[in-house]
Amino acid sequence: GIQVEQSPPDLILQEGANSTLRCNFSDSVNNLQWFHQNPWGQLINLFYIPSGTKQNGRLSATTVATERYSLLYISSSQTTDSGVYFCAVFVAGNNRKLIWGLGTSLAVNP
Amino acid sequence: NAGVTQTPKFRILKIGQSMTLQCTQDMNHNYMYWYRQDPGMGLKLIYYSVGAGITDKGEVPNGYNVSRSTTEDFPLRLELAAPSQTSVYFCASFQGVEKDNEQFFGPGTRLTVL
Repeated sequence: GIQVEQSPPDLILQEGANSTLRCNFSDSVNNLQWFHQNPWGQLINLFYIPSGTKQNGRLSATTVATERYSLLYISSSQTTDSGVYFCAVFVAGNNRKLIWGLGTSLAVNP
Repeated sequence: NAGVTQTPKFRILKIGQSMTLQCTQDMNHNYMYWYRQDPGMGLKLIYYSVGAGITDKGEVPNGYNVSRSTTEDFPLRLELAAPSQTSVYFCASFQGVEKDNEQFFGPGTRLTVL
């Protein structure tokens, strides 16, 4: 089945720094989502981005479906950005399942 | 819209007890899912449903049961709780239309089995 790989697995930033998280997937996908899981365990939709680029405040994401990757940019990081960032791809078919990466664990230090 | 709601938020069970985790969505979504997330890990699919009256197993269905009698509700049942079921449980839903495949997640239920 399709594989989703995220890098880096762990990342430590100083507040104010920028970062790029990557998500590679092994086969064609219909859609892709980025999630942030905060330190309290809440799972937050960041982007629904099957292709192209979207921006929301300090966060932006780009998916190049033909090359099978997506990037999540965090600019001017804040301590509240800490947590785990997951990429999940959508697999078409009868069950419509999301296939998840293992996440990037981000710690932003003050 | 309230989106996807889950109850309870927290629960502690003794080994062998049973309970039902509730999930409700008010977006008229056809597809609903139950995931579990163990500490430091990603999400694993337990069961899913493509519509009222239709359910199917995911990756880790053992020890769980589900039902889908209405579009809105998708409860998850633990019959004989075991310590291995200590986890955070997320319910999700989405419309199922090809051009709109964004999944929406509930806030989660943190379950501890002692």
